[in-house]
Amino acid sequence: ETGVTQSPTHLIKTRGQQVTLRCSSQSGHNTVSWYQQALGQGPQFIFQYYREEENGRGNFPPRFSGLQFPNYSSELNVNALELDDSALYLCASSFWYSTDTQYFGPGTRLTVL
Amino acid sequence: AQSVTQLGSHVSVSEGALVLLRCNYSSSVPPYLFWYVQYPNQGLQLLLKYTTGATLVKGINGFEAEFKKSETSFHLTKPSAHMSDAAEYFCAALANTGNQFYFGTGTSLTVIP
Repeated sequence: ETGVTQSPTHLIKTRGQQVTLRCSSQSGHNTVSWYQQALGQGPQFIFQYYREEENGRGNFPPRFSGLQFPNYSSELNVNALELDDSALYLCASSFWYSTDTQYFGPGTRLTVL
Repeated sequence: AQSVTQLGSHVSVSEGALVLLRCNYSSSVPPYLFWYVQYPNQGLQLLLKYTTGATLVKGINGFEAEFKKSETSFHLTKPSAHMSDAAEYFCAALANTGNQFYFGTGTSLTVIP
């Protein structure tokens, strides 16, 4: 059984660019949540995907968008990058009926210059 | 909305001493409560969680936490600190009807040999 994996590990972009981050769920998990963890802060909920649809969103602007694929893997897309988007982006997977038990990936460190 | 407060962004203890990390939540309805640990350059690992039932919850690596509704607290303890406990610890809350985790800002634990 493989855990949650994320790619890439690190990424450097410039302000105004677009970025796509990827997440593969733990085997069998059908729900994926994305979090942004700024330096020195706790993770903040961006959104959750279930059955390929967004199922709940935190306080993030529309330039943060996502996708979930039939195999339950997921992408986080961020358009028009801003300096404040620099953070560790974490994804977590779970079963729909057990979202209180989420398994986190190692994260993608995004730096916006 | 939920909020989670962790008192003390940095805690230092001697090896073998008691570890106490504080967490308070703000909610009219007690949420599900969690403690996660994060080692450098890694994702979050679940230490323990409280959903319902017994208010003293035991987790991995000798950690435990007690849910106190009257104090809206969920403090994490470990009787004897080990060098390997040095990490960042996050308290989190999940509304029992929701899917959005709310994390505290974290407590960095240093263990002094």
